[in-house]
Amino acid sequence: AQSVTQLDSQVPVFEEAPVELRCNYSSSVSVYLFWYVQYPNQGLQLLLKYLSGSTLVKGINGFEAEFNKSQTSFHLRKPSVHISDTAEYFCAVYSNFGNEKLTFGTGTRLTIIP
Amino acid sequence: GAVVSQHPSWVICKSGTSVKIECRSLDFQATTMFWYRQFPKQSLMLMATSNEGSKATYEQGVEKDKFLINHASLTLSTLTVTSAHPEDSSFYICSARASGSHYNEQFFGPGTRLTVL
Repeated sequence: AQSVTQLDSQVPVFEEAPVELRCNYSSSVSVYLFWYVQYPNQGLQLLLKYLSGSTLVKGINGFEAEFNKSQTSFHLRKPSVHISDTAEYFCAVYSNFGNEKLTFGTGTRLTIIP
Repeated sequence: GAVVSQHPSWVICKSGTSVKIECRSLDFQATTMFWYRQFPKQSLMLMATSNEGSKATYEQGVEKDKFLINHASLTLSTLTVTSAHPEDSSFYICSARASGSHYNEQFFGPGTRLTVL
């Protein structure tokens, strides 16, 4: 079975500072990895995804993530955050050879401090 | 493209009544739709997978007789919460997978906030 761990439930960051949201996954087969953002009382919006190829993936709103197979990680980064980045961020994993379901982490609450 | 809508966006009902939530893929066909439930400050929990023209597959612990799912067309799935009780109050999110997607790319709806009094 596959699983996703987001160790940081809350991350406060000053505006214009860099941020990294951590995500580790567990799976015995190859996976696809996703980061979603959820603004208050809204559904999920895809930030970026890793399917194959280059391990550095760029997404919307200036976010990027790096797939590290040896460390089974897919950490999300942004060099300079903005107030509008305040939201809940979910890492998710999917495998065609697993349970074929999108498995979500518990989420990280990113709060930008003015 | 790839827009998913949900209706209503929020609903308040009395205990014992039934509530229907619609999930529509607006600009693509979705052979598979998913229903999730999200409690405050928690992650999304998959409730069921809905395939067009067939019965939904429910996750362990989800009562199929309480959460009725119908996926009658390639663009519409409905979730009916029957005899709702306060513990059913939650944020319900649907997603739709485009036909032919090989990596389960799901497009999410905006969610429906259900409050049962």
